[in-house]
Amino acid sequence: DAGVTQSPTHLIKTRGQQVTLRCSPKSGHDTVSWYQQALGQGPQFIFQYYEEEERQRGNFPDRFSGHQFPNYSSELNVNALLLGDSALYLCASSLLGLSYEQYFGPGTRLTVT
Amino acid sequence: AQKVTQAQTEISVVEKEDVTLDCVYETRDTTYYLFWYKQPPSGELVFLIRRNSFDEQNEISGRYSWNFQKSTSSFNFTITASQVVDSAVYFCALSEANNNDMRFGAGTRLTVKP
Repeated sequence: DAGVTQSPTHLIKTRGQQVTLRCSPKSGHDTVSWYQQALGQGPQFIFQYYEEEERQRGNFPDRFSGHQFPNYSSELNVNALLLGDSALYLCASSLLGLSYEQYFGPGTRLTVT
Repeated sequence: AQKVTQAQTEISVVEKEDVTLDCVYETRDTTYYLFWYKQPPSGELVFLIRRNSFDEQNEISGRYSWNFQKSTSSFNFTITASQVVDSAVYFCALSEANNNDMRFGAGTRLTVKP
C-alpha cells in the first residue's frame, strides 16, 4: 500500500519563475492538504482540496494555487517566485472530515535563487 | 484562533539522559486533537502520537511518554534514556475538529550527544 508520494524531491528555480509540485495521496484517501515549511519553522497550512475544489485556505497570497484531479492527486502551483518561497513543501492526504488523520509525504524542497 | 507554542528552540543532552519537550496550545474548540511529530534531517515528518481532547490519559510507548493536561493546556513529551538516534526536530501540532488547518509549533531541535 503506497503512502503519500511527492515529486520532484528537489527543485531549483529562479526568482520570477513559476513552479508546479505534485502529490499522490495514500490509497483510499480523497483529500489533499499542502503545507509550506520554511527553514527553522514548523509547517504552515496553505490549502486543502477535496472533489477538485479548494475547501480551505491558509494565509497565503494568490500566487499559490492548486488543483486536484479526478484520481485525487494534486498539484501546487506557485507563480512569480520570490526568494522567500524557498522551503520544504509537504503534502498530506486524508479522508474528508478526518483531517486529524493526515498522512504526510516526504516533501519537495524548493530553492529559489 | 488556534496556536501552538514550543518555547524550547534547542535542547542538547548527553546520551541516557531523560529529556522533556514542552508544548502549550490555545484553542476555543472543545473537540481537538494534539500531535507530536519527529522530523529527522531527511525532512519527512514521522508521526509519533495523536490524542483527542476527551482523553487525558497519559501514554507510554517504550522510551516515549506523553503528559496531556487540559488544565494547563499542555501536551509535553518525554524521552527516557535518550539515544543518539533521537536527535531530530520535534513538532507539536493541534487540529481542531472543524478546521482543516493543522497548526504546528515552531519545533524543538533535540541533539543527543554520545
